[in-house]
Amino acid sequence: ETGVTQTPRHLVMGMTNKKSLKCEQHLGHNAMYWYKQSAKKPLELMFVYSLEERVENNSVPSRFSPECPNSSHLFLHLHTLQPEDSALYLCASSQDGAGRGTGELFFGEGSRLTVL
Amino acid sequence: GEDVEQSLFLSVREGDSSVINCTYTDSSSTYLYWYKQEPGAGLQLLTYIFSNMDMKQDQRLTVLLNKKDKHLSLRIADTQTGDSAIYFCAETGNFGNEKLTFGTGTRLTIIP
Repeated sequence: ETGVTQTPRHLVMGMTNKKSLKCEQHLGHNAMYWYKQSAKKPLELMFVYSLEERVENNSVPSRFSPECPNSSHLFLHLHTLQPEDSALYLCASSQDGAGRGTGELFFGEGSRLTVL
Repeated sequence: GEDVEQSLFLSVREGDSSVINCTYTDSSSTYLYWYKQEPGAGLQLLTYIFSNMDMKQDQRLTVLLNKKDKHLSLRIADTQTGDSAIYFCAETGNFGNEKLTFGTGTRLTIIP
């Protein structure tokens, strides 16, 4: 138990569906992240929120839309995805951003997304 | 931009030492990290090293940093079946940078 909870753990969706991934952290952290994990590729940073403001958007297609309503919750809204978007989506949190202090990120277990 | 490279797979006999290697490009990295991902789980910080250190030892783990060659390694002594996992190398950029850059991960398989 890392203190970061992601739901759902598995999601199968068609290309025309709209779904959302949810992340909740119980650690009192003030930064939250979405990462994409694909086989044989580096772990890819998608979005960073610090104090509920988006501070990084790594050229992610607009079919992925993040939302951070408060410092404990982070969503990733998905619409009109492509099969190549199938991957493990990992949420993480940290205190004061990854570049400060020791930079430790606390990860959830991930949401395995399959796009048909 | 920053780049972190690792080999994808490593197989080691139980009881031997495992050495996982990583190269990186950003010479201004403040910290370098090793994260471990067990099957069906997220990543967990295993150990880290500050950029002004050459070596850090923590029980069975030894981290070596060669700043000149931008090379980081993780040695696991007396490898056990519980060490089977994916090991990710990561670096920060300049101090205060929000972003960690990760490698592909190295999948460590233990041969009985």
